[in-house]
Amino acid sequence: DTAVSQTPKYLVTQMGNDKSIKCEQNLGHDTMYWYKQDSKKFLKIMFSYNNKELIINETVPNRFSPKSPDKAHLNLHINSLELGDSAVYFCASSPQGVTTYEQYFGPGTRLTVT
Amino acid sequence: AQSVSQHNHHVILSEAASLELGCNYSYGGTVNLFWYVQYPGQHLQLLLKYFSGDPLVKGIKGFEAEFIKSKFSFNLRKPSVQWSDTAEYFCAVRNTGRRALTFGSGTRLQVQP
Repeated sequence: DTAVSQTPKYLVTQMGNDKSIKCEQNLGHDTMYWYKQDSKKFLKIMFSYNNKELIINETVPNRFSPKSPDKAHLNLHINSLELGDSAVYFCASSPQGVTTYEQYFGPGTRLTVT
Repeated sequence: AQSVSQHNHHVILSEAASLELGCNYSYGGTVNLFWYVQYPGQHLQLLLKYFSGDPLVKGIKGFEAEFIKSKFSFNLRKPSVQWSDTAEYFCAVRNTGRRALTFGSGTRLQVQP
């Protein structure tokens, strides 16, 4: 049973297109995250939702819009894709209200913009 | 803002060699510390974590890490590496009151048989 799943695993698209990546967790966690891993393997937080409420919004272009229909899902929609958006996007989740928690990561979505 | 430094970008070892990967963070205060591993083609998995108590923490697969508060460090160690340890290793820090993790840039470990 996959704890944090993402679809699709690979996404190849052209500049200017709009695409979405989906994330689902079956751990019962309240908080979900999106991280971006660039070509140098550097992981950086983009967004975080807690119970469908946006709690972290780092300096990310407005073309990126997260959506959380319920606490088990956090999707990432990207408008007008650019070459620099090529990266691996990781979804993660963690429980709320517990001080000693770690984050559980999904398998990643490799986005290639041509 | 918090930053995390992993000074070893690429480490090549022979099997049975000892491993130590460095991790330093910039901002003090109460922190939670993590090491994650990413095997080729796989997702990030937690190796070990430190929240409080004994600064020497043991994780899975024979890994351990030592938190030295005075040095803002959380170095990862393993006495004898195996070929299957070939992977990317990430150090991460979370400051109290902040949910997101701040990651280092990762260290690629290559173990030669």
